[in-house]
Amino acid sequence: AQKVTQAQTEISVVEKEDVTLDCVYETRDTTYYLFWYKQPPSGELVFLIRRNSFDEQNEISGRYSWNFQKSTSSFNFTITASQVVDSAVYFCALRPAGGTSYGKLTFGQGTILTVHP
Amino acid sequence: DVKVTQSSRYLVKRTGEKVFLECVQDMDHENMFWYRQDPGLGLRLIYFSYDVKMKEKGDIPEGYSVSREKKERFSLILESASTNQTSMYLCASRGANPQETQYFGPGTRLLVL
Repeated sequence: AQKVTQAQTEISVVEKEDVTLDCVYETRDTTYYLFWYKQPPSGELVFLIRRNSFDEQNEISGRYSWNFQKSTSSFNFTITASQVVDSAVYFCALRPAGGTSYGKLTFGQGTILTVHP
Repeated sequence: DVKVTQSSRYLVKRTGEKVFLECVQDMDHENMFWYRQDPGLGLRLIYFSYDVKMKEKGDIPEGYSVSREKKERFSLILESASTNQTSMYLCASRGANPQETQYFGPGTRLLVL
């Protein structure tokens, strides 16, 4: 069984603050993919990043960075110098790499991020 | 760009009605998915389809059925809507390669009175 936990239900910050969204996962699979999605008020989930379990390099994309630590089963997401447009619900998700091609995505509960001006 | 569209953004139905939610993707993806999203529960998989006329139950299939007659279209059916099916419904699609990303539609917010 797979499980993804986002312990932070809601986070509120003021613009320009850095913020980290936590994600912890459980899986018995040896290879898997981890994802982060953003859901703005419009409702559509927007893909942010995919990470393979065998690649523990951290990744940076502009103000976004991701810290993947297999030893602690965590895949945390940091927004540097947050902006009001970052306000959204963020989901962490996990999918096995092997098995059938339609491997199921397991989502965390989501973290509501509100960035105040 | 991948495009996943859903027939309605908002829908209001009465208890006992039969409800159809339609999803269309334009990327020739093999896999399509229906999720429901509820506060504090994240997204939960209802059904998915890996090919035309093929379907598999997800985590919460009770009260729902699906239809996939054409590759680009995946329909979610509520045979007899109930108030506990009030939720946000999200459709997604993905290609055959397991490495590929899953793309989501804008969602349908369904209210059952």
